[in-house]
Amino acid sequence: QSVLTQPPSASGTPGQRVTISCSGSSSNIGSNTVNWYQQFPGTAPKLLIYTDNQRPSGVPDRFSGSKSGTSASLAISGLQSEDETDYYCATWDDSLNGLVFGGGTKLTVL
Amino acid sequence: EVQLLESGGGLVQPGGSLRLSCAASGFTFSNHAMSWVRQAPGRGLEWVSGVGGGGVSTYYPDAVRGRFTISRDNSKNTLYLQMDSLRAEDTAVYYCARCIGMSATGIDFWGQGTLVTVSS
Repeated sequence: QSVLTQPPSASGTPGQRVTISCSGSSSNIGSNTVNWYQQFPGTAPKLLIYTDNQRPSGVPDRFSGSKSGTSASLAISGLQSEDETDYYCATWDDSLNGLVFGGGTKLTVL
Repeated sequence: EVQLLESGGGLVQPGGSLRLSCAASGFTFSNHAMSWVRQAPGRGLEWVSGVGGGGVSTYYPDAVRGRFTISRDNSKNTLYLQMDSLRAEDTAVYYCARCIGMSATGIDFWGQGTLVTVSS
């Protein structure tokens, strides 16, 4: 069972806006920044959002991140078929003194 | 171009040991904390260790503390993971990962991974 809670699945139609939630606690999301990763099958994860809401160069502005209290969200607007894959949130946990990940969300583009 | 190249994975019997290596290039290695993250077949990501830029501070989750040892050689731009007393549940792809800056609190780049299989 993961320290950070993500919905196992999410879906949307092309062009739609979808959000993926990541719920934690005061010792992790509540006191540290959140990063989001995109992972295609058989490949390494790729940084999508860092420090809650910053996009690395090369990541389309369709992807955005936000955080409020002990929860964070990844939003994908103008959904495209190539967005269909797995997404993970992660942050540092002060109580565990380690990195923690969400269980991952599989996004399906209908 | 940032590159992280893992090696050392393979098949090992339960109770055995294995040492993973990660050769880094394309950035100032000593300026970044580093981590190892694993992914069991069909499962999510699990952080298994972190080390500060100077190699002194190390971090482990309870699942591997006392069995795994992370270290680095900044003169060789190489990260290591010594894994002892391996169990079937340690079977996974192990990723070497660069952390954002000197603290191990977030990852910004991942290697392609090396598969570790623990089985008799």
